Amino acid sequence: GAGVSQSPRYKVAKRGQDVALRCDPISGHVSLFWYQQALGQGPEFLTYFQNEAQLDKSGLPSDRFFAERPEGSVSTLKIQRTQQEDSAVYLCASSPRKGTRDEQYFGPGTRLTVT
Amino acid sequence: GQNIDQPTEMTATEGAIVQINCTYQTSGFNGLFWYQQHAGEAPTFLSYNVLDGLEEKGRFSSFLSRSKGYSYLLLKELQMKDSASYLCAVRDSGAGSYQLTFGKGTKLSVIP
Repeated sequence: GAGVSQSPRYKVAKRGQDVALRCDPISGHVSLFWYQQALGQGPEFLTYFQNEAQLDKSGLPSDRFFAERPEGSVSTLKIQRTQQEDSAVYLCASSPRKGTRDEQYFGPGTRLTVT
Repeated sequence: GQNIDQPTEMTATEGAIVQINCTYQTSGFNGLFWYQQHAGEAPTFLSYNVLDGLEEKGRFSSFLSRSKGYSYLLLKELQMKDSASYLCAVRDSGAGSYQLTFGKGTKLSVIP
């Protein structure tokens, strides 16, 4: 079956622009996670959704970052007024049940470059 | 908070065995995952340990000692395709915590 998909795969933004990154999780998966991965680093947690509810957004680095999952399936991560330090790969992952006890299925990521 | 340490890089020979260590200091612990990540690709799940001991799955095994805050991933009969980064990730036990904390990853190079 289809895995997690993300779009766009690559995004170049000028500093100050807004960007929107999309995640299509595996159908029926309850949990959805967003991570930020800098070059040579492990993924860092940004936010967690259980269905449409955003239960943890403690990893969002600033109020320029906003995520939503209005119908409990597709999710969008929005970054306003992008800065150079936002350049990273943004990974989305989904898992079948609530919380973190299941393996997470990762999408291929969106590589954001802010110039 | 969580602090996870892994070696940055390792090199091993095709056909050999390699052990990748992971130590963690955590305020709460509720399980440890290993993921494999090839360059430019998504992480993929390898193993999950929540109790002490060894979990074996084909060529890959993972060990956990909760009292020592220590885990390792053992890869046997190494193949060239095993060249990748290996990420250790700890699951928090705090109520309402939905975070996995990842280490920086160990880049494994398998040479002929």
